Amino acid sequence: AQSVAQPEDQVNVAEGNPLTVKCTYSVSGNPYLFWYVQYPNRGLQFLLKYITGDNLVKGSYGFEAEFNKSQTSFHLKKPSALVSDSALYFCAVRDITTSGTYKYIFGTGTRLKVLA
Amino acid sequence: DGGITQSPKYLFRKEGQNVTLSCEQNLNHDAMYWYRQDPGQGLRLIYYSQIVNDFQKGDIAEGYSVSREKKESFPLTVTSAQKNPTAFYLCASSHPRTSGGGYEQFFGPGTRLTVL
Repeated sequence: AQSVAQPEDQVNVAEGNPLTVKCTYSVSGNPYLFWYVQYPNRGLQFLLKYITGDNLVKGSYGFEAEFNKSQTSFHLKKPSALVSDSALYFCAVRDITTSGTYKYIFGTGTRLKVLA
Repeated sequence: DGGITQSPKYLFRKEGQNVTLSCEQNLNHDAMYWYRQDPGQGLRLIYYSQIVNDFQKGDIAEGYSVSREKKESFPLTVTSAQKNPTAFYLCASSHPRTSGGGYEQFFGPGTRLTVL
């Protein structure tokens, strides 16, 4: 079965410093990987995805992620953090069931806190 | 504007009552999903539907029911059989799998259900 892991419950970073939020995955076949952000009491917003192609994927709000097949990782990065980036971040992978339907497996989330 | 709407934003239920959460989308997406979010547990899949008049159980379907009579609508009923329904409920949709693109999910703003 497909799975994703976010090993850090919380990440603290100073404003202006680079940030990394980690995600590792376990899939059979080619992974379809996603990052989402959630602000308090809101739904999730899509940030970026890796389907195929370049390993470095650029997304919304200056975020990017690097797909690393050998390390089975898809870490989210941003060169310079903003206080407004403080939120809950989720990594997800798309799963294809034995009946041919599609569902998504989410990590447990990482809370990012950017300190002024 | 295209998007997903959920209503109500807040819902209070008494013990023994069934309640129905609304989810509507105008994105022309075939697939729709219901998730439950509890603190520290990420998103857990309740039910999902790939096409009208068809749906599948997710990981925590017990005590919930759904219907998919229209492409745009995927209501979730929380029955009295669900022993601990207090949570944040999120609805999502995704591009048709035959579209050749997309794959990411679009989320509604959520409904917070509290059992009194």
